[in-house]
Amino acid sequence: DSGVTQTPKHLITATGQRVTLRCSPRSGDLSVYWYQQSLDQGLQFLIQYYNGEERAKGNILERFSAQQFPDLHSELNLSSLELGDSALYFCASSVGGNGGETQYFGPGTRLLVL
Amino acid sequence: TQLLEQSPQFLSIQEGENLTVYCNSSSVFSSLQWYRQEPGEGPVLLVTVVTGGEVKKLKRLTFQFGDARKDSSLHITAAQPGDTGLYLCAGSSGAGSYQLTFGKGTKLSVIP
Repeated sequence: DSGVTQTPKHLITATGQRVTLRCSPRSGDLSVYWYQQSLDQGLQFLIQYYNGEERAKGNILERFSAQQFPDLHSELNLSSLELGDSALYFCASSVGGNGGETQYFGPGTRLLVL
Repeated sequence: TQLLEQSPQFLSIQEGENLTVYCNSSSVFSSLQWYRQEPGEGPVLLVTVVTGGEVKKLKRLTFQFGDARKDSSLHITAAQPGDTGLYLCAGSSGAGSYQLTFGKGTKLSVIP
């Protein structure tokens, strides 16, 4: 158990819909990272928040957005969903803001868009 | 864009055999990490290497960072069924870059 929690574990929805994925970092960690893992693309970095502010942006689509709240939990919002958005979405956390330091991954949310 | 190529993509071996998986890039990384991911779970960090030529051992696993810090290898001695999983390498370019670049992984199956 990494100490990072993600909900829900599974999510099935239809094209065009909007969903919200939630992540609670390890106690004491200030950074939250979001990743998308698909069979063909592997693990892709989406976005990082550090202490409530956006720190780094990766391959995140404009239809996706994220935020980190004062209690440091984070939400990833996916809208206008397409079939290709079906993937595993992981959240990770680390103590500081340097992405190269140890990141602890949650168990992931499996999203299926039908 | 920095890319990490992992090989082989799939590997199926018998228990007790040795194996090596590779992680290669044309870019220099300030550090490189190896993760193992089991089905239904998130990646778990195995090791971080930061110095060119560095070798780290973790029980039956030996990790090496290339002299030029562009490549790395993971060698497993006497593989066991518990080693089965997806092995991912991830590089950090450091110097203000906050994100990790992941390879697509090597899926290892160790058959009893």
